[in-house]
Amino acid sequence: KQEVTQIPAALSVPEGENLVLNCSFTDSAIYNLQWFRQDPGKGLTSLLLIQSSQREQTSGRLNASLDKSSGRSTLYIAASQPGDSATYLCAADTSYGKLTFGQGTILTVHP
Amino acid sequence: GAGVSQSPSNKVTEKGKDVELRCDPISGHTALYWYRQSLGQGLEFLIYFQGNSAPDKSGLPSDRFSAERTGGSVSTLTIQRTQQEDSAVYLCASSLSGGETQYFGPGTRLLVL
Repeated sequence: KQEVTQIPAALSVPEGENLVLNCSFTDSAIYNLQWFRQDPGKGLTSLLLIQSSQREQTSGRLNASLDKSSGRSTLYIAASQPGDSATYLCAADTSYGKLTFGQGTILTVHP
Repeated sequence: GAGVSQSPSNKVTEKGKDVELRCDPISGHTALYWYRQSLGQGLEFLIYFQGNSAPDKSGLPSDRFSAERTGGSVSTLTIQRTQQEDSAVYLCASSLSGGETQYFGPGTRLLVL
């Protein structure tokens, strides 16, 4: 059974800092790894999807990497802003669409 | 453009009653998913529909839970004889096909008294 762990559980940083969120998964037989953000009381917003054959994906200030063999993914956020404050969730796709989620990292970026 | 929509946004019911939750996926998306988000369990997969294939029901927690997808579009999640532990946010998502980016709706917050 796939298990996904995210570290740290919470992170508070000043505006402008670069930061890294970590995600690990126990079963390396994944189709893809997806990163989402969730704002309080809202649904999830997709940030990045990395296919199992890829090493990384970039979108604006976000960069996600994937090391399937070691069961790890990282989300790098450059020059953080208060608007980046949210819960960040990673999810491993092990059955062509069925996602297993981590517990999330609560990020607070203060001015 | 229209995203995934869910109704109702909030539902309060009494223990033992049946409830129906509705999801309208993005037009043209063949895959539809239901998840449940609760404080103790995080985000859990419930059921997955892909085109005309038999749904993957492996995440449904009990036989009180069922879902259908009519005409390959709208889906309804039904919970019979609700229990207090069913209280959670129920999220629906859709994607162009399985294994692609999933787009989530705003969720239905269910409270069972």
